Amino acid sequence: AQKVTQAQTEISVVEKEDVTLDCVYETRDTTYYLFWYKQPPSGELVFLIRRNSFDEQNEISGRYSWNFQKSTSSFNFTITASQVVDSAVYFCALSEYGGSQGNLIFGKGTKLSVKP
Amino acid sequence: SAVISQKPSRDICQRGTSLTIQCQVDSQVTMMFWYRQQPGQSLTLIATANQGSEATYESGFVIDKFPISRPNLTFSTLTVSNMSPEDSSIYLCSVTGRGQRRETQYFGPGTRLLVL
Repeated sequence: AQKVTQAQTEISVVEKEDVTLDCVYETRDTTYYLFWYKQPPSGELVFLIRRNSFDEQNEISGRYSWNFQKSTSSFNFTITASQVVDSAVYFCALSEYGGSQGNLIFGKGTKLSVKP
Repeated sequence: SAVISQKPSRDICQRGTSLTIQCQVDSQVTMMFWYRQQPGQSLTLIATANQGSEATYESGFVIDKFPISRPNLTFSTLTVSNMSPEDSSIYLCSVTGRGQRRETQYFGPGTRLLVL
């Protein structure tokens, strides 16, 4: 069965610190997709990144970077020089069909608090 | 990505009543989904809203409790019927992207429901 584990329930950092959010997944499929979403206090879910299982290249987007390692079934998310606006709940999700058939399996989320 | 709106954004309802939530997209989309996020929890897929036919429900969710309509490619409704306090949640609709983003789900702003 597919499963996503975000072991860190809550993380608190001071502004400008770097922070890494962990995501470990389980699947028997050879083709699958991984996602990160951000949910600020307002409640909407904001898409951050999608990665397929054949692409292990790490990705950097501004202060955000993602480290995908199939050997450890992990897809970790790092925020460099964190800012107060980064405060949110971050969800990692897994799907074997991309998102097109609705079966996104979400982790329980990590609540990040960035203090000034 | 498509612009997704939901109405109402929040509501407080009495036990035993029903509430219909609307999801409107600014462009035609292939797939639309409804999720529930109970307080402090992750997201769970309720159903896939199929255009012109009955919705496809996930295990644990039934049509009598959560009737769904999707009359066209830009609009869907979810009704929460005969509500109880356990139905207090955020309800989110999502749609798949287009073209290269068709495997990614984008979420609406959510409807915060409190049942007294």
